[in-house]
Amino acid sequence: AQSVSQHNHHVILSEAASLELGCNYSYGGTVNLFWYVQYPGQHLQLLLKYFSGDPLVKGIKGFEAEFIKSKFSFNLRKPSVQWSDTAEYFCAVIHGSSNTGKLIFGQGTTLQVKP
Amino acid sequence: KAGVTQTPRYLIKTRGQQVTLSCSPISGHRSVSWYQQTPGQGLQFLFEYFSETQRNKGNFPGRFSGRQFSNSRSEMNVSTLELGDSALYLCASSLDPVGEQFFGPGTRLTVL
Repeated sequence: AQSVSQHNHHVILSEAASLELGCNYSYGGTVNLFWYVQYPGQHLQLLLKYFSGDPLVKGIKGFEAEFIKSKFSFNLRKPSVQWSDTAEYFCAVIHGSSNTGKLIFGQGTTLQVKP
Repeated sequence: KAGVTQTPRYLIKTRGQQVTLSCSPISGHRSVSWYQQTPGQGLQFLFEYFSETQRNKGNFPGRFSGRQFSNSRSEMNVSTLELGDSALYLCASSLDPVGEQFFGPGTRLTVL
């Protein structure tokens, strides 16, 4: 079965530290890739997405992600985190050829940024 | 443009009852997907509707069902509620089924 794996379940960083959250997926066909964020008490919102083209994609709030097809990975990065980045982060995949809206999510990573 | 809305926001039910949750997608979005979010299982896909047709269903028992109306609004129903059905139920809509999904705030269901 297709799956998405996020390597870190809980990450604690100090402000200004760099962030990298790992994400691997298990499907070999065409995929569309997403990172969503869920701030405390808020609904899921999109950070960034990759469909095709430049494998380095930039999202909102200074986040970026790199798609490495050979490694089936889509890691999220931010050079310098802020306290306001405290949230839960989800990597998600949709099969590009499926034509159905079935997002497969990773388990999520809780990021805690200490001021 | 208004976002995805879900009603009600909170529900408390007892075992054996049934419940109906409602979702209004963003105007113009014809694809609506439903997800269940729990601390133990994370976010799991329930089903997806496009133009009133269910096109994909996740690995959930038949007690979970849904439908979509001609105006793209969607409902999901859970019959014979069990304690394990307590969760946050999220609805998402999209313009393109394989594109970006926009999520609503969810309905928090508690089964006692």
